[in-house]
Amino acid sequence: RKEVEQDPGPFNVPEGATVAFNCTYSNSASQSFFWYRQDCRKEPKLLMSVYSSGNEDGRFTAQLNRASQYISLLIRDSKLSDSATYLCVVPTGGGNKLTFGTGTQLKVEL
Amino acid sequence: EAQVTQNPRYLITVTGKKLTVTCSQNMNHEYMSWYRQDPGLGLRQIYYSMNVEVTDKGDVPEGYKVSRKEKRNFPLILESPSPNQTSLYFCASSLTGLAYEQYFGPGTRLTVT
Repeated sequence: RKEVEQDPGPFNVPEGATVAFNCTYSNSASQSFFWYRQDCRKEPKLLMSVYSSGNEDGRFTAQLNRASQYISLLIRDSKLSDSATYLCVVPTGGGNKLTFGTGTQLKVEL
Repeated sequence: EAQVTQNPRYLITVTGKKLTVTCSQNMNHEYMSWYRQDPGLGLRQIYYSMNVEVTDKGDVPEGYKVSRKEKRNFPLILESPSPNQTSLYFCASSLTGLAYEQYFGPGTRLTVT
């Protein structure tokens, strides 16, 4: 099993839709999790951190399910500007290394 | 402005010609790392540094070297580049480790012919 797995998509959704992505991880000892956003081969930027059960920031909600070892990202009221690749990130290797998922591509359409 | 800078941004070189990609941050961060990004493989960590003079291998260190002589700089060295090192490279830094936000540089697109 890969350390971090994501559905690559693309997810094509209409503007205003709600969309959710899942990310599964293999290291049950992981304590912190992150969602990064990456626009078209530019540098990734932090979207949300998840340290306990979840986190919410405006239209974005991240949830953690430790029992099933996955985190999810929910985007409500999608905007055209949300079109990007969303990267799931988990510390591994005893906590000193970061493992990135391959990313889920989101395309929000008119 | 707080930032991570990388140079060069674009580089085309030939097999075997040594090169260095520089990375510098002005945020007094202790943790710095290098990644490469390839289609279908995502971002993979090459090397990381917990602090000055402390470096360790990531997941794909073969063919690369790093050094951390100063806190702000973390250069990536390719002693003898090969075509399979053609990739998009990102440098990143964070305050003290992985529990904190990683700030990424703008990326260096390297082509080895």
